[in-house]
Amino acid sequence: DAKTTQPTSMDCAEGRAANLPCNHSTISGNEYVYWYRQIHSQGPQYIIHGLKNNETNEMASLIITEDRKSSTLILPHATLRDTAVYYCIVRVPNSGGSNYKLTFGKGTLLTVNP
Amino acid sequence: DAGVTQSPTHLIKTRGQQVTLRCSPKSGHDTVSWYQQALGQGPQFIFQYYEEEERQRGNFPDRFSGHQFPNYSSELNVNALLLGDSALYLCASRTRDRLAKNIQYFGAGTRLSVL
Repeated sequence: DAKTTQPTSMDCAEGRAANLPCNHSTISGNEYVYWYRQIHSQGPQYIIHGLKNNETNEMASLIITEDRKSSTLILPHATLRDTAVYYCIVRVPNSGGSNYKLTFGKGTLLTVNP
Repeated sequence: DAGVTQSPTHLIKTRGQQVTLRCSPKSGHDTVSWYQQALGQGPQFIFQYYEEEERQRGNFPDRFSGHQFPNYSSELNVNALLLGDSALYLCASRTRDRLAKNIQYFGAGTRLSVL
């Protein structure tokens, strides 16, 4: 699985958009970008994933650059409850055999301030 | 629809003891993975089960073992506990349906403290 690089921490004001970057310069053509987040003392929660087109769901938007070497997770109107560690993971969704594990880095601690 | 449930939520053991953690997957899921998360770190993959067999294993010693039951629920067993085994243990479930794109759903975890 491709390695990802994320900032250690970021701050955002409540009500403003939070833009979380992720670099994945060694991503291969069939690898997807997944985002999970982990609120303190809870299990990780799936947010969104994408291959090359921008994606949006009820939680967030995912913008992937044209060369696919980086992406940005956007929380359009951050709330205090969005304070969490956000993980960017790159992998092939169904790589065949039995390889389904997710490889987590340390992620980005997003702190939403009142 | 219940999500992934884990029990117990907290556990305190002493060095050398054995522990069993339990996980019930989300309805409709047939695959369970276990992760260990030390303080300040991201979750680390321990192993994965489907069709009642261990299918993939991370870099963990044989003291860590598991089981999957016919109803897809799973147990994680750790023998000869060490202080370093203190962590949050997470269970994740998924369906192997290719359309699901390997999206995994996590439980809230079991916090294990080894004294």
